[in-house]
Amino acid sequence: DVKVTQSSRYLVKRTGEKVFLECVQDMDHENMFWYRQDPGLGLRLIYFSYDVKMKEKGDIPEGYSVSREKKERFSLILESASTNQTSMYLCASRSGGSTEAFFGQGTRLTVV
Amino acid sequence: RKEVEQDPGPFNVPEGATVAFNCTYSNSASQSFFWYRQDCRKEPKLLMSVYSSGNEDGRFTAQLNRASQYISLLIRDSKLSDSATYLCVVLLGNTPLVFGKGTRLSVIA
Repeated sequence: DVKVTQSSRYLVKRTGEKVFLECVQDMDHENMFWYRQDPGLGLRLIYFSYDVKMKEKGDIPEGYSVSREKKERFSLILESASTNQTSMYLCASRSGGSTEAFFGQGTRLTVV
Repeated sequence: RKEVEQDPGPFNVPEGATVAFNCTYSNSASQSFFWYRQDCRKEPKLLMSVYSSGNEDGRFTAQLNRASQYISLLIRDSKLSDSATYLCVVLLGNTPLVFGKGTRLSVIA
């Protein structure tokens, strides 16, 4: 079974802190994604990566950056957390072609 | 126009009922289609892929209409455990999946 693991289920951080969300997948997938999910807004794509050291902006990249130094790991960084970044963050991975994506369990981040 | 549109619901149906969800997509070049299920406060999980000829998995039937650019999900004999949000998902080549906002289903005893 594909496993996508996010480092934390729940996080509480203070405004202005630098926040790291880690995601690891064990199926050698080329593609990895970070989404955030908010009530009424659905899943919105923040950043994605097709390969190691590659990154592409999604629909809402402002205030975020990413790092992919190894194929299995994709990190989302909030450079200076703000209250409007309180959300559920979901990492996903998939192989190339017309295949489905597999999600991590999500990180519920609260910025106070 | 939004890329993938779904009726948000909620759909409140009694146990045993048949319920259908539709989803429309805007990009006619879209190649792959999926239905995901998301339980409250959990991650989305693949329910089924949608094939051009339509496909069935137990009580669930998915259909694709490329001419009208919509996909559908039919659930027969609804169970309480079917209560969830159902996400319509569209893929164009090797690009990120595009998600609808989801349709919430509540099956009532």
